[in-house]
Amino acid sequence: GAVVSQHPSRVICKSGTSVKIECRSLDFQATTMFWYRQFPKQSLMLMATSNEGSKATYEQGVEKDKFLINHASLTLSTLTVTSAHPEDSSFYICSAKGVGGRTEAFFGQGTRLTVV
Amino acid sequence: SQQGEEDPQALSIQEGENATMNCSYKTSINNLQWYRQNSGRGLVHLILIRSNEREKHSGRLRVTLDTSKKSSSLLITASRAADTASYFCATDPSTGGFKTIFGAGTRLFVKA
Repeated sequence: GAVVSQHPSRVICKSGTSVKIECRSLDFQATTMFWYRQFPKQSLMLMATSNEGSKATYEQGVEKDKFLINHASLTLSTLTVTSAHPEDSSFYICSAKGVGGRTEAFFGQGTRLTVV
Repeated sequence: SQQGEEDPQALSIQEGENATMNCSYKTSINNLQWYRQNSGRGLVHLILIRSNEREKHSGRLRVTLDTSKKSSSLLITASRAADTASYFCATDPSTGGFKTIFGAGTRLFVKA
């Protein structure tokens, strides 16, 4: 299957700082990427849908000014957690779909964010 | 809730037994996928079943899909201790964009 690379795999940051997470599709063009958040022992909750060259679509209850998403190219989407708080500590996972969107989603390996 | 329902929430079995997990969802779909996640790790894609398919096999895995009941099941036969993980179903709704929505998950524990 296609490969999606997510970086970093783990990050620890101080409260009030910003953290950027990258999601790259390595061998296909991803017109649509998705960002999920997962709390311990819970499922993945969709945060936002990122389309190349346009603004992201956020799910209800997700603060777009706090979770900045940029999808500047067909192979890269970034999630920036701004002014991080300890409650933002979580597992963040991206996924990507190819042209057309009606294909299997390929997932990155996730980023464990800890805010201290 | 954006999630579907999965049952059971947790399942504990002996090695060698079969494990069955069920998933129900809310909207019409293009396809349904099952994933495995080991604790604290990323997702492993197990199997994808399209809306016009009723059953699919992959090794020790058997997935069924009943679109009239909006439900799916995952059967793992002859389970092994290494199958211990969380299992999630995920659906691609046929409307509302191309996003993938996850169920709540089943935590499977296989005792050696």
